[in-house]
Amino acid sequence: KAGVTQTPRYLIKTRGQQVTLSCSPISGHRSVSWYQQTPGQGLQFLFEYFSETQRNKGNFPGRFSGRQFSNSRSEMNVSTLELGDSALYLCASADIQGNNEQFFGPGTRLTVL
Amino acid sequence: AQSVTQPDIHITVSEGASLELRCNYSYGATPYLFWYVQSPGQGLQLLLKYFSGDTLVQGIKGFEAEFKRSQSSFNLRKPSVHWSDAAEYFCAVGPVTGGGNKLTFGTGTQLKVEL
Repeated sequence: KAGVTQTPRYLIKTRGQQVTLSCSPISGHRSVSWYQQTPGQGLQFLFEYFSETQRNKGNFPGRFSGRQFSNSRSEMNVSTLELGDSALYLCASADIQGNNEQFFGPGTRLTVL
Repeated sequence: AQSVTQPDIHITVSEGASLELRCNYSYGATPYLFWYVQSPGQGLQLLLKYFSGDTLVQGIKGFEAEFKRSQSSFNLRKPSVHWSDAAEYFCAVGPVTGGGNKLTFGTGTQLKVEL
């Protein structure tokens, strides 16, 4: 099976813009989670989608949002970008039977100038 | 609230030496436990996981980890380190029931291997 894919791999935006990141899970996986990784805060959970519904949400402001489509592909959106949003955004997919075992994509490196 | 502590930010070992990376967690009940590895610019790769049963679990690349309930620890070990093991290692916990697929990660341990 193909792994988790994320597009784009790299992105440069300026403050105030918005951005949309995309994640395609492993075939058959219905859960998609998003994480933000920064040198200062480490790996932090953003949200999880399962069957097009948000199942979990981390402690991030409302500028961070996401959605999941019927084919399990997911997008996350960040509006009104701030410098502090520069990070590696990781997507992970899981099988409902997988006991929390998540498979990660390579990430999208977002730089906000 | 759950938390994961990896007390060693950086560790340097010589190639061929043994390795132990420490991980302690704080959780309401025994969670699912994971070790992931991340190479520069890459995503996370699962090394091994503990769900239940035998407290010594084997993973990929010759790694193993031991779950000790009394110490709330899940330390990662490898008997002989290879230069290609240089990377950052993350310990993570996840809920057993009702919590979906949310993982809480430690801050990571950067492993350097000296040749």
